[in-house]
Amino acid sequence: GDSVTQMEGPVTLSEEAFLTINCTYTATGYPSLFWYVQYPGEGLQLLLKATKADDKGSNKGFEATYRKETTSFHLEKGSVQVSDSAVYFCALMDTGRRALTFGSGTRLQVQP
Amino acid sequence: DTAVSQTPKYLVTQMGNDKSIKCEQNLGHDTMYWYKQDSKKFLKIMFSYNNKELIINETVPNRFSPKSPDKAHLNLHINSLELGDSAVYFCASSPASSYNSPLHFGNGTRLTVT
Repeated sequence: GDSVTQMEGPVTLSEEAFLTINCTYTATGYPSLFWYVQYPGEGLQLLLKATKADDKGSNKGFEATYRKETTSFHLEKGSVQVSDSAVYFCALMDTGRRALTFGSGTRLQVQP
Repeated sequence: DTAVSQTPKYLVTQMGNDKSIKCEQNLGHDTMYWYKQDSKKFLKIMFSYNNKELIINETVPNRFSPKSPDKAHLNLHINSLELGDSAVYFCASSPASSYNSPLHFGNGTRLTVT
């Protein structure tokens, strides 16, 4: 079945540091890939998405590129802020099954 | 203006009780979901409805019963609550037209069973 694997957290960075959160996936079809963010006490918000190989999703300074050859969708940001502290979830939606399969989440803590 | 709203936000109850969580979306979406988030933040789908029809029913105890009176509402009823049911339950919706449309989530209901 489908699965998503994310790097374990927490990831602790200083403000303005470069961020990478690794995500790899296994899917039977041709999935769309997503990153969601969950701020403390809130629901999940879509951060970015990519629907086919080599697509790059971007939003609020975050980027991720759909790499079919490595089955990866790593999240990057060039300069993190304290306000980016949250839990980040990688997810996929496979063809034929209209539901998201999530990774385990990675907590990011950004220190001033 | 809230797109996906759940009530209540917090629910504290004792083992053995029956409780319901309500969800409503005003986005005009055809598909609605319930997800469970455990204490380690892991999210797992429980149910999905498309236009009031059940389309995904994961391995969930039959104490959990979803009800969709119309396509804008998906409620979750839980019988004989157990300690292990303590979690955050998220409702979500998406348009049925495209498999790659993102889900829109509510803010969650934190259920604590004592």
